[in-house]
Parts: sequence; C-alpha cells; structure tokens
Amino acid sequence: AQTVTQSQPEMSVQEAETVTLSCTYDTSESNYYLFWYKQPPSRQMILVIRQEAYKQQNATENRFSVNFQKAAKSFSLKISDSQLGDTAMYFCAFSGPNTGNQFYFGTGTSLTVIP
Amino acid sequence: DTGVSQNPRHKITKRGQNVTFRCDPISEHNRLYWYRQTLGQGPEFLTYFQNEAQLEKSRLLSDRFSAERPKGSFSTLEIQRTEQGDSAMYLCASSSPTSPDTQYFGPGTRLTVL
Repeated sequence: AQTVTQSQPEMSVQEAETVTLSCTYDTSESNYYLFWYKQPPSRQMILVIRQEAYKQQNATENRFSVNFQKAAKSFSLKISDSQLGDTAMYFCAFSGPNTGNQFYFGTGTSLTVIP
Repeated sequence: DTGVSQNPRHKITKRGQNVTFRCDPISEHNRLYWYRQTLGQGPEFLTYFQNEAQLEKSRLLSDRFSAERPKGSFSTLEIQRTEQGDSAMYLCASSSPTSPDTQYFGPGTRLTVL
C-alpha cells in the first residue's frame, strides 16, 4: 500500500520569503508520479507541480520547485518569493499506474503568508 | 475548457434521506475519479471510471454508495440512507488519455447530514 506523510500541519512565512514544505512517501512501485496541490480557502484543488519518478531532474514551475530524493522517498516543495495568494492548504499526492492512477494524499500543510 | 464542474455545491439533508451528486469532467477526459474529504484531512479515494466502466472501488464505498457514468461523460454519486458520518466534501476529478497520471479537480459538493 502507498502512504504519504506530511509532518507539518501548519507553517507560516513572511511575504517575499522562502518556505519549504515536507513530504515523505512509501511505495514498492518503481514507476510513479508525485504532485503538490494547493487548496485555497475556496476549497478548489489546484495543481501546483508534478514530478515523474523516473526523471532525476527536479521539477520547477515559476516560484515553485521540488526537491525529489527518490532513495529517501522524500518530495519537498519550495515556494520562493512567497505571496499572500499562496496562503492555502498544500497537499502532497502520489499516484502510480499499477493502482489506476488513483491519488494517495497526505494530511496537508496549512500555509499562511504573513504580510 | 471550463474545467471540472460539480453540482450542487452544497447539500443539507436529514439522516436517512437519499442524495445524488453530479460531476461533469473536462471534455474528452476519459477517466473520472470520486474522492471524499473530511475536515482537516486529505481527500480519500472512493472510485474511478475509465469511460463508462467502473474499474475500482474503495472499501470506503459502502453498499449505500453507488456511482455511475452511463455514457462515459458525466457521473453521478448517490448515497442512500445518509448517516451523519457521511458529512464531508465530495470531490470529483478527471484526467485525459494522454496524461492519465494528472488529475484536475472540481470545486466539490459539501454534504451536511443533520
């Protein structure tokens, strides 16, 4: 079974600063995908960034980047130049083709950007 | 592309009543997923369809729950004889044949069972 763990229930960061959210996972699959989703107070889940496990290069999307450590089964999200609109719940998720690509989510990290 | 839509956005019902939710996926997305999210938790998988076929169901999907996707487009999720423990946000997501690993979520239907 796949599990995803987010050990930081809440975090805060000053506007314009950098913050890193942690995620670890457990799986026996070799081919899989990892995601970070953002869920603002309006509750719509928005894809932030995606990483393919077979790619060693860390994914980046503008101010968002990941540190993917496959051997350690670690997948952290770095947000640079934090903005007030980044305030949201952030969920780490795992999916693999052997399980129909259903998502396994962590419990989330509530991030607050302080002006 | 208007994204994944879900209706209703909110539903309040009394215990024992039946409720039905609808999800319209992104056009041409062949996979459709249902998740349940309770307060303070990440979404949990319920079931998914590839076209009209329901390929997997979670143990969370009790006999009171049924999902359909009759024409491979929209899907419905019905809960019979609702219980207070069914109160949650029900999320729908879809993915395309060219990128089946990436799911796009709808706004959800918040169910409150009194």
